[in-house]
Amino acid sequence: GQNIDQPTEMTATEGAIVQINCTYQTSGFNGLFWYQQHAGEAPTFLSYNVLDGLEEKGRFSSFLSRSKGYSYLLLKELQMKDSASYLCAVMDSNYQLIWGAGTKLIIKP
Amino acid sequence: ETGVTQTPRHLVMGMTNKKSLKCEQHLGHNAMYWYKQSAKKPLELMFVYNFKEQTENNSVPSRFSPECPNSSHLFLHLHTLQPEDSALYLCASSQDRGQGADTQYFGPGTRLTVL
Repeated sequence: GQNIDQPTEMTATEGAIVQINCTYQTSGFNGLFWYQQHAGEAPTFLSYNVLDGLEEKGRFSSFLSRSKGYSYLLLKELQMKDSASYLCAVMDSNYQLIWGAGTKLIIKP
Repeated sequence: ETGVTQTPRHLVMGMTNKKSLKCEQHLGHNAMYWYKQSAKKPLELMFVYNFKEQTENNSVPSRFSPECPNSSHLFLHLHTLQPEDSALYLCASSQDRGQGADTQYFGPGTRLTVL
């Protein structure tokens, strides 16, 4: 079966750095997405990785290792507004997104 | 604002009611999706439409009936629902189904409660 694993919840301090991991086992691979979802709101697109390596976008970076079935989302200089759920999703060989259950990130002052 | 709107935002209905959820996208996309999001569970894909044609139905019970009159509008008709159908229903759209970097953009969802 297809599976995406990510931690259920993480806590970090304002101004710090946090890394959210995602491991996957899917039928084929056509890229990995990260989304942010604030409570009661729409998931919003953060990043897309299809090749190995690190993609940096301001305070957020996303890393992919296809051979290890592994990705992480790195958030720097954490702000209170970064408190949200972070969803990892992999596009399989049928171009269907397979979703993780999300990681709830709690930022403390 | 993602360019995808959904109405209503909240809906409470009894098991014998009939209601409809509406989704509209203003992004010029060709594909539209319905997802179900339950607490602490992965998003569940329900239906996919590509160029107004339904391309996927992921074993969804017949009490959920989708309709896509054009590429900008998507409906989910609900009837005889069960309490376990209570969830957040999300609509999404993307440019072209079947492309690797085809990013999906989501609406804010309808919070459905079935009594």
